[in-house]
Amino acid sequence: GAVVSQHPSRVICKSGTSVKIECRSLDFQATTMFWYRQFPKQSLMLMATSNEGSKATYEQGVEKDKFLINHASLTLSTLTVTSAHPEDSSFYICSATFIRVEAFFGQGTRLTVV
Amino acid sequence: TQLLEQSPQFLSIQEGENLTVYCNSSSVFSSLQWYRQEPGEGPVLLVTVVTGGEVKKLKRLTFQFGDARKDSSLHITAAQPGDTGLYLCGGGKLIFGQGTELSVKP
Repeated sequence: GAVVSQHPSRVICKSGTSVKIECRSLDFQATTMFWYRQFPKQSLMLMATSNEGSKATYEQGVEKDKFLINHASLTLSTLTVTSAHPEDSSFYICSATFIRVEAFFGQGTRLTVV
Repeated sequence: TQLLEQSPQFLSIQEGENLTVYCNSSSVFSSLQWYRQEPGEGPVLLVTVVTGGEVKKLKRLTFQFGDARKDSSLHITAAQPGDTGLYLCGGGKLIFGQGTELSVKP
């Protein structure tokens, strides 16, 4: 399958700071990337869908000013958690797709806000 | 709104037992995917089913897509401890079922 790389895999930050997470498709051009949040032993909750060169589409209840998504190229999307708070601590996962029905996932980022 | 209902959400069995996980919806999907996720990792695609009534096998795993393309099942034969993980069905705009946390005890 295609390779999607997510970085960093773990990050600890202080409350009030911002954190940027990168999602790269390494061997294909991703027309669409998805960002998910996952709580322990639960499924993935879709946060937003981003298409290269256009604004991200956020799911209901997700604050777009808090979770900034940029999809500047066909191989890179970034999620920035702004003014992070402890309740933002979670496992964030990206996935990427190119016209196909399947999506391929990054390894995930464990964010801990202290 | 498309929704996927997955059951059971938790399953703890002994090595060697068989199990089935179900993924149901009231909506028709053009395809459904099954993923397996280990703790601290992203989900890994196992299979995609596209045709109504389709059956796909992956070693001891058998995947079936319902005739009406509204449901799917994953059957594991003679489960092994290495099968332990979170199993997710996904479809449509990459929405997911609630997941099935499978634990196979030796």
